Amino acid sequence: GQNIDQPTEMTATEGAIVQINCTYQTSGFNGLFWYQQHAGEAPTFLSYNVLDGLEEKGRFSSFLSRSKGYSYLLLKELQMKDSASYLCAVRDGDYKLSFGAGTTVTVRA
Amino acid sequence: GAVVSQHPSWVICKSGTSVKIECRSLDFQATTMFWYRQFPKQSLMLMATSNEGSKATYEQGVEKDKFLINHASLTLSTLTVTSAHPEDSSFYICSASPPGQGSSPLHFGNGTRLTVT
Repeated sequence: GQNIDQPTEMTATEGAIVQINCTYQTSGFNGLFWYQQHAGEAPTFLSYNVLDGLEEKGRFSSFLSRSKGYSYLLLKELQMKDSASYLCAVRDGDYKLSFGAGTTVTVRA
Repeated sequence: GAVVSQHPSWVICKSGTSVKIECRSLDFQATTMFWYRQFPKQSLMLMATSNEGSKATYEQGVEKDKFLINHASLTLSTLTVTSAHPEDSSFYICSASPPGQGSSPLHFGNGTRLTVT
């Protein structure tokens, strides 16, 4: 099976930056994804990394190091609406997507 | 963008009855769809991979006779929870990605909240 670890909870202030780390061990690798999920809703796609390095999309950036089995999602200029669960997901050699337990981010005024 | 539609959004059923959940890809054809289950405050757990025109592939620990999956067309997969029990109460989510598995992210339906009384 897959082993994907991320912190359970993080709290930050509006306007600040938060970095959510994710480490993984999988059999084969075909990309790492970050999703945002609000309570009671389905996940929505945020970012995708398959090569090492940083991918930037507006206020959100994601980094990948395949040799270290490590990724992070960086949220800048935090807004209240960013309070949600952030899921790290890895696609293995069979193209199956497995999810970490999720990191609940709480943004405070 | 790619859209996946799931129906119903929520359902309440009595113990022992069966419930069918539909998952449709609205603007692309999906030979493969995935069914996930999510219990409160837990992550999404892959239940099975639905393959158009062939049998579904179930993850370890998921009873294939209890969770029947049918993928009869390139745009529709159904999950039937048979003889539902209260412990089957959960959030069921389907997903699919457009053809070309390269960088395509999975797109999720809005989920079905099942409550078994």
